[in-house]
Amino acid sequence: NAGVMQNPRHLVRRRGQEARLRCSPMKGHSHVYWYRQLPEEGLKFMVYLQKENIIDESGMPKERFSAEFPKEGPSILRIQQVVRGDSAAYFCASSRDQGYGYTFGSGTRLTVV
Amino acid sequence: KNEVEQSPQNLTAQEGEFITINCSYSVGISALHWLQQHPGGGIVSLFMLSSGKKKHGRLIATINIQEKHSSLHITASHPRDSAVYICAASPNTGNQFYFGTGTSLTVIP
Repeated sequence: NAGVMQNPRHLVRRRGQEARLRCSPMKGHSHVYWYRQLPEEGLKFMVYLQKENIIDESGMPKERFSAEFPKEGPSILRIQQVVRGDSAAYFCASSRDQGYGYTFGSGTRLTVV
Repeated sequence: KNEVEQSPQNLTAQEGEFITINCSYSVGISALHWLQQHPGGGIVSLFMLSSGKKKHGRLIATINIQEKHSSLHITASHPRDSAVYICAASPNTGNQFYFGTGTSLTVIP
């Protein structure tokens, strides 16, 4: 699924460090969504962004997590002071229009040691 | 109760068998998606449905809007079809998908 690029594919962080996950949407897509997949669990919505705006962050943990989608460059999901429970696969999806034509990235697998 | 329920949770089939995975949802939707996730891999969007039926190769997806039910069928299954299949609903309101917990399919040669 080369359309939505996520990097890195794998990220290892020690407890207390910061993790930065990047998502470059498909060309022409201005809507970005982040999802988290905890081990042995399904995908859960985290945040929905359009360029320079957070539209819905109802799925984001209240502390340590933040997301942005600047005018130029990829969307960034930032996790400060990571803990072991943050270990998960984080997926990004993009769409041209809200609620239509999603494309998923391959995900970033975060491991906190 | 989850907004999207999938069954079965796990499925093992012999190569060549016809496979059906079911999805029921409780919210009003603008579209229903079927996704495929290989072990350790990314997510591939297989189908997006708002009505009727779609076919792509050996995969067929159907949806019954009145009954709030969708099925994914795989004909002549092959070991390379082994993956987790996820049903996801785009609700009429709100910005997020609702995901089923996935069906883990193993096709044995």
